[in-house]
Amino acid sequence: AQTVTQSQPEMSVQEAETVTLSCTYDTSENNYYLFWYKQPPSRQMILVIRQEAYKQQNATENRFSVNFQKAAKSFSLKISDSQLGDTAMYFCAFMTYYGGSQGNLIFGKGTKLSVKP
Amino acid sequence: DAGVTQSPTHLIKTRGQQVTLRCSPKSGHDTVSWYQQALGQGPQFIFQYYEEEERQRGNFPDRFSGHQFPNYSSELNVNALLLGDSALYLCASSLSVLSTDTQYFGPGTRLTVL
Repeated sequence: AQTVTQSQPEMSVQEAETVTLSCTYDTSENNYYLFWYKQPPSRQMILVIRQEAYKQQNATENRFSVNFQKAAKSFSLKISDSQLGDTAMYFCAFMTYYGGSQGNLIFGKGTKLSVKP
Repeated sequence: DAGVTQSPTHLIKTRGQQVTLRCSPKSGHDTVSWYQQALGQGPQFIFQYYEEEERQRGNFPDRFSGHQFPNYSSELNVNALLLGDSALYLCASSLSVLSTDTQYFGPGTRLTVL
């Protein structure tokens, strides 16, 4: 079975500081993609960052970066210079790609991040 | 560029009723996936549509059915509603099921079953 585990139900960080959210996953597939999505109270699921499993280089998007450890099946998200607008639920997800078509997204249960002023 | 849109925003139904939720994909996208997100949980995959056909299906009963139209918009139908069907229903679209494109989500429809 393919699973995603987020072991931190809730986290908090002071504004301008750095925080790391953890994610581990389990799959026997070799061709897959990893994502972090953010869901603020408005509930719109927003893509934060994406990582192709075949790429060794960790993805970065402005203040967001990942630490992808393929052998350990670990995919953590680092948020630098945290801002109040980063307060949200963060979901780790992966998607396989096989037979020439994309599979569905499999999500973790989420980590609720609160950024405090 | 319009993103993924969903209607209605909120819906209240009673047990046993039927409901239809609607989704319009992002411009240029032809693949639509539906997810159910129970309170405090991550989204669960229901099914995916491409070329007006159901391509994949998650572990949901036949009470959940869908449709995709020639303009790529999609509907999710749920029959014989149960209290446990209360959830946020999310629609996501991507460029093509044949691609490795990211799925982009709509704002969701909050369904409450009384």
